Amino acid sequence: NAGVTQTPKFRVLKTGQSMTLLCAQDMNHEYMYWYRQDPGMGLRLIHYSVGEGTTAKGEVPDGYNVSRLKKQNFLLGLESAAPSQTSVYFCASSPPGPGAYEQYFGPGTRLTVT
Amino acid sequence: AQKVTQAQTEISVVEKEDVTLDCVYETRDTTYYLFWYKQPPSGELVFLIRRNSFDEQNEISGRYSWNFQKSTSSFNFTITASQVVDSAVYFCALSVVGGFKTIFGAGTRLFVKA
Repeated sequence: NAGVTQTPKFRVLKTGQSMTLLCAQDMNHEYMYWYRQDPGMGLRLIHYSVGEGTTAKGEVPDGYNVSRLKKQNFLLGLESAAPSQTSVYFCASSPPGPGAYEQYFGPGTRLTVT
Repeated sequence: AQKVTQAQTEISVVEKEDVTLDCVYETRDTTYYLFWYKQPPSGELVFLIRRNSFDEQNEISGRYSWNFQKSTSSFNFTITASQVVDSAVYFCALSVVGGFKTIFGAGTRLFVKA
């Protein structure tokens, strides 16, 4: 089992460019999440999904969009990147049961916006 | 609103010392879960433990132990006889049953020197 994988691992964008981060999990988990990690701030939830075809906003959704067309994949899009979006992005998945289960994290994507 | 405070930003110890990482949480909900995650230098977050609000029993797993005290809203993590491989950032987290948002503390960076 690969667990949770993320593509790419590193990316540098110029302000205004767009990109999509791909997250895939092979644990058949219903719930998936996108977080960003910034120094001294822990992890903050961007968007999440409770099942195929559903998405919802988290704590810091502005500037991001997501899609969950297949249960195993959760895509995070940046339409027009800004320097404030420089961060490390983590995808996670968990079994259903809001709040009740631990999350399994991917290795992260380090994004730099210049 | 929920909040998790990890007041210790960085801790440095010498190998074989015991070390305790503090975690204080805030929530008005009576049913919730607390977690600890480890983020080693490689970057991925690894789940360590989950504790529900009705179970105040302390837990020990090898050199790791956790002390949950509802009276002080704390969920502290102790590493006994620390090792260099314990060097990592440790996150405490809180989620409310029925909610989709997990609140992470800012993390404590632990350095274990040989």
